[in-house]
Amino acid sequence: QKEVEQDPGPLSVPEGAIVSLNCTYSNSAFQYFMWYRQYSRKGPELLMYTYSSGNKEDGRFTAQVDKSSKYISLFIRDSQPSDSATYLCAKSNTGNQFYFGTGTSLTVIP
Amino acid sequence: NAGVTQTPKFQVLKTGQSMTLQCAQDMNHEYMSWYRQDPGMGLRLIHYSVGAGITDQGEVPNGYNVSRSTTEDFPLRLLSAAPSQTSVYFCASSYIIIGGKGTEAFFGQGTRLTVV
Repeated sequence: QKEVEQDPGPLSVPEGAIVSLNCTYSNSAFQYFMWYRQYSRKGPELLMYTYSSGNKEDGRFTAQVDKSSKYISLFIRDSQPSDSATYLCAKSNTGNQFYFGTGTSLTVIP
Repeated sequence: NAGVTQTPKFQVLKTGQSMTLQCAQDMNHEYMSWYRQDPGMGLRLIHYSVGAGITDQGEVPNGYNVSRSTTEDFPLRLLSAAPSQTSVYFCASSYIIIGGKGTEAFFGQGTRLTVV
């Protein structure tokens, strides 16, 4: 079983739609979760991080963690063409172990 | 802030050639690492370092060497390039957390390597 599982998509939505990106993870010892955005031919850029169950909001983005079901989600409201990218979920622990999902490719159509 | 800087951005090598991918960070992070990213396989850890003079192997270390003489720099050496090493390489850095729950990794912009 992979440490982090992520649906690769691709996902295509119209501009203004609400986007839901999801990952599952194994190993409850990991308590720190991140979402990265990666534009084509660029490095992953940290979008959000959270270490608590529940929701964390940052503008149009909401990160959600459900530790009981080991589920990580990212919601994008009012999606824009500039949100078109690959989104990677990730987890880490205090031992600097990092595990990344394979990424979901998102296209927002104007 | 420059963050994590990688050079070169692109490189083409012939099979058997050697080269060094450079990585530098200006955030005073103790932890640095190298990943390769291949389609459908995500990010795979090659080598990592928890401080100057300390390195260790990751998931796919064969064919690569690293050293860490300063906090800022963490070069990756390809000893004898093979077509299987064609990939995009990312350097990342992070703080080492004592206590707490974890930390974030910060990535460079990548080096796109083709071995022919």
